[in-house]
Amino acid sequence: DTGVSQNPRHKITKRGQNVTFRCDPISEHNRLYWYRQTLGQGPEFLTYFQNEAQLEKSRLLSDRFSAERPKGSFSTLEIQRTEQGDSAMYLCASSLDRLGNSPLHFGNGTRLTVT
Amino acid sequence: KNQVEQSPQSLIILEGKNCTLQCNYTVSPFSNLRWYKQDTGRGPVSLTIMTFSENTKSNGRYTATLDADTKQSSLHITASQLSDSASYICVVRDGYTGGFKTIFGAGTRLFVKA
Repeated sequence: DTGVSQNPRHKITKRGQNVTFRCDPISEHNRLYWYRQTLGQGPEFLTYFQNEAQLEKSRLLSDRFSAERPKGSFSTLEIQRTEQGDSAMYLCASSLDRLGNSPLHFGNGTRLTVT
Repeated sequence: KNQVEQSPQSLIILEGKNCTLQCNYTVSPFSNLRWYKQDTGRGPVSLTIMTFSENTKSNGRYTATLDADTKQSSLHITASQLSDSASYICVVRDGYTGGFKTIFGAGTRLFVKA
């Protein structure tokens, strides 16, 4: 399967704990995005990488959130000191965007539940 | 403020019937508009893309329209099937930032009943 892969699929954690999610994009894609989605809403942009450079971060991304893409391939999203409001689906997407019209290819997300 | 509004919020139809979903946007300048289908527990998958010069595009039983003057788009589903039950999300890409900034609508939740 050459699609976007996210791990784990589900994560249950207690408030205050740290969690880390991983995203493996489609191999030739240079752009990688993280989104958060809550029930009944569309995905909300969190951050974006072009190769290994993090070029944009949303105001939604508080200082408890950090994302990396160390070698321009896979990416990790870490949430420190989780809060119940962090419970959501975290989606990763990648694209090869030379012309601006390429679609986002999404993974199936990591569902985080903070108890 | 750039926004994408979708209607209805949810829709129930019988298998075999047609339906139309609406998307209004205020994104300017406009680059393109995509419709995505999101099955429960899965990531969204692109169905169609519309650029400024296009006003209709089909992908099987899905037909998207775009009126760039009124900033409206619709997604028409013909002869619905049970597998069409999903959320349909309208996504508009702005024309400022090299095209990476996309604005998502909240989606229309479609339920197709037998």
